Amino acid sequence: EPEVTQTPSHQVTQMGQEVILRCVPISNHLYFYWYRQILGQKVEFLVSFYNNEISEKSEIFDDQFSVERPDGSNFTLKIRSTKLEDSAMYFCASRGTHEKLFFGSGTQLSVL
Amino acid sequence: QKEVEQDPGPLSVPEGAIVSLNCTYSNSAFQYFMWYRQYSRKGPELLMYTYSSGNKEDGRFTAQVDKSSKYISLFIRDSQPSDSATYLCAMSPGGYSGGGADGLTFGKGTHLIIQP
Repeated sequence: EPEVTQTPSHQVTQMGQEVILRCVPISNHLYFYWYRQILGQKVEFLVSFYNNEISEKSEIFDDQFSVERPDGSNFTLKIRSTKLEDSAMYFCASRGTHEKLFFGSGTQLSVL
Repeated sequence: QKEVEQDPGPLSVPEGAIVSLNCTYSNSAFQYFMWYRQYSRKGPELLMYTYSSGNKEDGRFTAQVDKSSKYISLFIRDSQPSDSATYLCAMSPGGYSGGGADGLTFGKGTHLIIQP
């Protein structure tokens, strides 16, 4: 069964550094999403992306965050200057014309 | 105001038991209701989805929505050890993928353990 692939599975960075989290959505999907889950808390919506632009974004998704589809297969989330509170599991998701979301296994980001 | 409340558990039941998982919510704009299953070190996987009130059955799983009480349930019949996972409820006013600035609103998840 096709799946959403996220790399790396675990990323450690120093506060203030830039990180890029990578996702390969399912190949015929057109809608892409990032969610995050801080340890012990709920999964939270960050951003949705369609037709090479942001469709919706939450209050969490401030100027420190950006998303990009640099080629036909990758979808990335960039955090420009990481803070301790950015430590979380980041999930990428995609969907096709049906509204069922497919989530990747996540990237655990640890900011030291 | 906490929009979606879900008991985190853990909920431990013997194999073969009927499991009942529940969420309450406060936002009356929610129309689309989902249950996700999440295994350890994996992303959420959509299990059931329902629109507005009523019941929906799929194999051993039944999803129930009571909009008047703002209460949703997932029942698992003949529970198996492989059902051991965290179950997340999720909801949205705008569709099964979110469709708004809040995306999907999730509960915290209930950790379910099925004892062989």
